[in-house]
Amino acid sequence: ILNVEQSPQSLHVQEGDSTNFTCSFPSSNFYALHWYRWETAKSPEALFVMTLNGDEKKKGRISATLNTKEGYSYLYIKGSQPEDSATYLCAPVRDSNYQLIWGAGTKLIIKP
Amino acid sequence: EADIYQTPRYLVIGTGKKITLECSQTMGHDKMYWYQQDPGMELHLIHYSYGVNSTEKGDLSSESTVSRIRTEHFPLTLESARPSHTSQYLCASSAWGGTEAFFGQGTRLTVV
Repeated sequence: ILNVEQSPQSLHVQEGDSTNFTCSFPSSNFYALHWYRWETAKSPEALFVMTLNGDEKKKGRISATLNTKEGYSYLYIKGSQPEDSATYLCAPVRDSNYQLIWGAGTKLIIKP
Repeated sequence: EADIYQTPRYLVIGTGKKITLECSQTMGHDKMYWYQQDPGMELHLIHYSYGVNSTEKGDLSSESTVSRIRTEHFPLTLESARPSHTSQYLCASSAWGGTEAFFGQGTRLTVV
């Protein structure tokens, strides 16, 4: 079973500030890495699916990088807004059967 | 917007009752999943299916059962609910490969 660690567990950020958090995972048998945003009372929604070492993806003010050799991914949010408040989940994919293995998430709270 | 639906959203039921949580998707996805999640914890895979008449148990042992008679429908059944089954249950689906998963809004089950 893969061990996925996300840090920090929770984060309070002032509106307008930029922030980032980490997803660590075993680098062996890597196939892909997913990032999801889960807002309260809603369903988790995919942000990025990343597969290549060195990959960098961007969606508006949110971006992510991937290092498959050392087993980590960073998620960055530039100029945080109240609507960014959510739990951000990462999930590496096993190559054998494409199963997602979930981290516990980073809960982000934006203070106005 | 994702076309995957779960019912009911909330359910409070007495110990010993049989319950079925419904999950349907209209995206034609072959892969479907049931996850269990307790507050602040990871999503744990309890069942998955790769197509009609295919069901497998996930990493987390569960007393529930599932069926996949039609591509779009993946219900989860508990024959005799217990307080230890109190949790949130999330259904998801995806296309083949490591593509993103689409989630239902979840069923929050409380067994009293």
